[in-house]
Amino acid sequence: KNQVEQSPQSLIILEGKNCTLQCNYTVSPFSNLRWYKQDTGRGPVSLTIMTFSENTKSNGRYTATLDADTKQSSLHITASQLSDSASYICVVTRETGANNLFFGTGTRLTVIP
Amino acid sequence: NAGVTQTPKFQVLKTGQSMTLQCAQDMNHEYMSWYRQDPGMGLRLIHYSVGAGITDQGEVPNGYNVSRSTTEDFPLRLLSAAPSQTSVYFCASSLSRNGELFFGEGSRLTVL
Repeated sequence: KNQVEQSPQSLIILEGKNCTLQCNYTVSPFSNLRWYKQDTGRGPVSLTIMTFSENTKSNGRYTATLDADTKQSSLHITASQLSDSASYICVVTRETGANNLFFGTGTRLTVIP
Repeated sequence: NAGVTQTPKFQVLKTGQSMTLQCAQDMNHEYMSWYRQDPGMGLRLIHYSVGAGITDQGEVPNGYNVSRSTTEDFPLRLLSAAPSQTSVYFCASSLSRNGELFFGEGSRLTVL
């Protein structure tokens, strides 16, 4: 069964600290993996998209890693800011099939001063 | 620089009423889709379209209709609203089937 699981479900960190969010998937055949940021009351916004051959991709203070062998990805946030408070959603794309996007339930990150 | 525009942002309906959620994009994207987002669940695909005149069902299509008469517009119709359709609905578009998704700001629907 094609699934995407994210951990932790929620996380609270102090401003300025780093954190890492996890995403494990069983989607096959794999096409790409995306991380989205969703602010409260807003639509998801793309942070990174990685294909099979990419194992690291950065977008400012956000760095995503992908291990296609173990089917794991992580999103590392460096020097967190209050504006990083949001839900982070992992999405895995399957190469074939009509409904080919599989969404995780997200990690809710709260950054406190 | 509008991107994907959804209206209305909030709506309250009574059971049995019908309504249409509007979605428009100005990026000339062929692929458009509708999702619903419920607490504790990932986004679930309702319907999608790969181009004008072509639509197909997603994971949870029951109770919803769509049409795609133009590249820009992809409205979602609730035929007879039910409390189970209380949710936040997102429209998204992308250049291709596996391309980056651009989401609208969402429409929060409550069915009483």
